[in-house]
Amino acid sequence: QKEVEQDPGPLSVPEGAIVSLNCTYSNSAFQYFMWYRQYSRKGPELLMYTYSSGNKEDGRFTAQVDKSSKYISLFIRDSQPSDSATYLCAMSTNNAGNMLTFGGGTRLMVKP
Amino acid sequence: ETGVTQSPTHLIKTRGQQVTLRCSSQSGHNTVSWYQQALGQGPQFIFQYYREEENGRGNFPPRFSGLQFPNYSSELNVNALELDDSALYLCASSFPTSGGADTQYFGPGTRLTVL
Repeated sequence: QKEVEQDPGPLSVPEGAIVSLNCTYSNSAFQYFMWYRQYSRKGPELLMYTYSSGNKEDGRFTAQVDKSSKYISLFIRDSQPSDSATYLCAMSTNNAGNMLTFGGGTRLMVKP
Repeated sequence: ETGVTQSPTHLIKTRGQQVTLRCSSQSGHNTVSWYQQALGQGPQFIFQYYREEENGRGNFPPRFSGLQFPNYSSELNVNALELDDSALYLCASSFPTSGGADTQYFGPGTRLTVL
C-alpha cells in the first residue's frame, strides 16, 4: 500500500463546475500538505500549502486537511479549461521543502 | 517560469550506460532536491542537497548519486542504467526558512529513455 493514495482519474467536468480532488494517507507524521498542478511536459507548480489541519483559500482554490481522518482535499470553483492538468498532492513530515511524498496524481479535464 | 533550469531536455541511453543530468537552481536557493517521475505516476524523492552536502535520501540504490556545486547548481548521476530508470527527472530548489515551510520550485524536467 502506498503512503499517499490519489484517484488517477481522469476526471471530466464542464466549464464552471466545482471540482473536488482528494488524497488519503497513512503516515500520521505528515504535517505539511501541498497541492501541485502539472501541465503536460512541465514540472509541478505549487498551488496551495497547508500546515496541519484546517482550511485555506486562495482565489478559486480551497485546500482542506483533516488529520484525524488522514484525508486532504482541493476544491476548484468556477473551473476553467485552463485548469485542465494533473493535480498532485504532496506531504512532508517536518518541512514543506524537505523530502516530499507525492500521490500518483489526478488528471482533470475541464470541457468548454 | 520558476527560474529552475534543467539540461538536457530529453535523452536516450541504452541499458548499462551512465548518465548525468544537470540542474541550475533559482537564484539564492541553496537547497536542491531530485525526484523521479515515472509515466502516469507522482514524483518520487531521490535525494536532497543543502550547501553541497547530501542531507536526505529516498529509497533509491547507490547507483543514483549527486553533486551540488558552490554556485548551488547540481548534478544527478545514474550508473548502470536499467530499463525501469526511464522516467522524467525533476529538480527542485528551495531556500530553508526558520520556523516555516520551504516552497520548492520545480524545473521542467529531463525525460530519460533507457532502451
